[in-house]
Amino acid sequence: KAGVTQTPRYLIKTRGQQVTLSCSPISGHRSVSWYQQTPGQGLQFLFEYFSETQRNKGNFPGRFSGRQFSNSRSEMNVSTLELGDSALYLCASRRETGDTEAFFGQGTRLTVV
Amino acid sequence: GQQLNQSPQSMFIQEGEDVSMNCTSSSIFNTWLWYKQDPGEGPVLLIALYKAGELTSNGRLTAQFGITRKDSFLNISASIPSDVGIYFCAGRETSGSRLTFGEGTQLTVNP
Repeated sequence: KAGVTQTPRYLIKTRGQQVTLSCSPISGHRSVSWYQQTPGQGLQFLFEYFSETQRNKGNFPGRFSGRQFSNSRSEMNVSTLELGDSALYLCASRRETGDTEAFFGQGTRLTVV
Repeated sequence: GQQLNQSPQSMFIQEGEDVSMNCTSSSIFNTWLWYKQDPGEGPVLLIALYKAGELTSNGRLTAQFGITRKDSFLNISASIPSDVGIYFCAGRETSGSRLTFGEGTQLTVNP
């Protein structure tokens, strides 16, 4: 059974650009959550999608957005990139939004220059 | 938002030693999870705890769900070099579905 797949693994972007990251959850899982991980801040919750609807949202500016498709794959988009957006972006899948056990992908390492 | 206090932030130990780390919360949690993250990888779930007082083992790892439901600890016995990584606790409050993560414990094991 395939795990959570995130693409791309690495990305370098310039300030002001936008970026789209992709996450394919474990087969049969319908909940996808996104996290930002930086050395000083740990894992910060961005948002969660379930059945194509955003169910939870963290405290990030509107430049961070996401969506989920009917096959449960999810994308997150960051517009007008800032240097501080450089981080490891992780997605985690759960079978249902109420499930506890979340399984992570390998992450996308975004560097903004 | 909710914060978990995880300690210690880092540990440097010799191979063969036992390790203990813990997380505390100001809120009551109904679930505690422990993850390990290797460099450049995503966190991997080690142990899940669902009941206050529950003690669960996974090989050399043992975790407990505190009686007050506001804390949890993870023990690693007889550490080996491949135990190196960052260990995260995560909890879920009774009122929501979102997981809150601790800031991690960086473990270094010297051979």
